[in-house]
Amino acid sequence: GAGVSQSPSNKVTEKGKDVELRCDPISGHTALYWYRQSLGQGLEFLIYFQGNSAPDKSGLPSDRFSAERTGGSVSTLTIQRTQQEDSAVYLCASSTGTPQYFGPGTRLLVL
Amino acid sequence: ILNVEQSPQSLHVQEGDSTNFTCSFPSSNFYALHWYRWETAKSPEALFVMTLNGDEKKKGRISATLNTKEGYSYLYIKGSQPEDSATYLCARGGSQGNLIFGKGTKLSVKP
Repeated sequence: GAGVSQSPSNKVTEKGKDVELRCDPISGHTALYWYRQSLGQGLEFLIYFQGNSAPDKSGLPSDRFSAERTGGSVSTLTIQRTQQEDSAVYLCASSTGTPQYFGPGTRLLVL
Repeated sequence: ILNVEQSPQSLHVQEGDSTNFTCSFPSSNFYALHWYRWETAKSPEALFVMTLNGDEKKKGRISATLNTKEGYSYLYIKGSQPEDSATYLCARGGSQGNLIFGKGTKLSVKP
């Protein structure tokens, strides 16, 4: 069956611009997670959606970051006024428990 | 130990060699220990989810052990093959379902 998909696969933007990253989870998965990996760092948790509950935003690094999950399916991670330190691989994962199934990621480069 | 630590950071072995990596994590408030394999340009792939002290799991030539009392897990690869080349990630399960990752061990297997 179809796995987790993410778009775009690569994104180059200029400092100060806004970007939107999309995640299509596996159908039927109630949980959706966003992580990022900056250069030389481990995967860092950003935000977690579970069903209709309020999302766990405890990992978002600043108020420039936000995410939505519409209809319990597709999710969009938005970064406003991008900074160079936002350059990273952004990964989405979905699950119905364990394990989490990851997408291929979006590689973001902020110039 | 406050975070998930993995060693070594990178490893170069010859085809046919057996190898192992270490993951250390806080032993308090343990939920689960996850191992993932992340090949370049692909999605991270779940290898094992381990919850019980003394757990041993095996998948083909790859196996893992878990010691929750002392806070470590070992991943073993028997008879490494070039297709085993990847970054191996260890993560502990968080209380909210998110994963807390180490920085990974990058394995290169030379033919």
